[in-house]
Amino acid sequence: SQQGEEDPQALSIQEGENATMNCSYKTSINNLQWYRQNSGRGLVHLILIRSNEREKHSGRLRVTLDTSKKSSSLLITASRAADTASYFCATDASGGSNYKLTFGKGTLLTVNP
Amino acid sequence: DGGITQSPKYLFRKEGQNVTLSCEQNLNHDAMYWYRQDPGQGLRLIYYSQIVNDFQKGDIAEGYSVSREKKESFPLTVTSAQKNPTAFYLCATSVQGVYEKLFFGSGTQLSVL
Repeated sequence: SQQGEEDPQALSIQEGENATMNCSYKTSINNLQWYRQNSGRGLVHLILIRSNEREKHSGRLRVTLDTSKKSSSLLITASRAADTASYFCATDASGGSNYKLTFGKGTLLTVNP
Repeated sequence: DGGITQSPKYLFRKEGQNVTLSCEQNLNHDAMYWYRQDPGQGLRLIYYSQIVNDFQKGDIAEGYSVSREKKESFPLTVTSAQKNPTAFYLCATSVQGVYEKLFFGSGTQLSVL
């Protein structure tokens, strides 16, 4: 079953606007990661936030993590047409086997020029 | 996608036929994974291997088989027992025991004739 669920399923914005995507998960985690996938391509790792961190930045990306609410958000500031892609959160559950990541269904972001 | 080569990019399977998807990496990573992605869905883990000559079933291993005879190679065979094989297949690698960043290939689209 899916551990992480992204929201919204699809998001359409204008170039220059900010885009916010959310991820909710069900069980305790060691870390949470965000990946990007361009259509018909493999996934690319964007950023990782550990369970003891609350916020992390990388360039135009800002990720927050609220372990009490079991949720994370990815903010892309000053979006560009090249940011058009699907964005997935992935969780590495704590306890038991930590040999696998569980991915959500993704948010399809469209940035209109 | 650098360092991980998946081939072919497109593959067609006839009913009752086994087909093999290739995944080769030059990143010197110990761990390799196979994921299946259906349209609008997240990634589901088929098989993973943490070390040569060892591999483990993921969440949806039925109808698939793998081998790990070399560190660089982790081929996936989709057998005739897999009744719904049409999907996008992604190979990934990581440093052994570290689920902190997966590197993905560019994927193989498998369709049924």
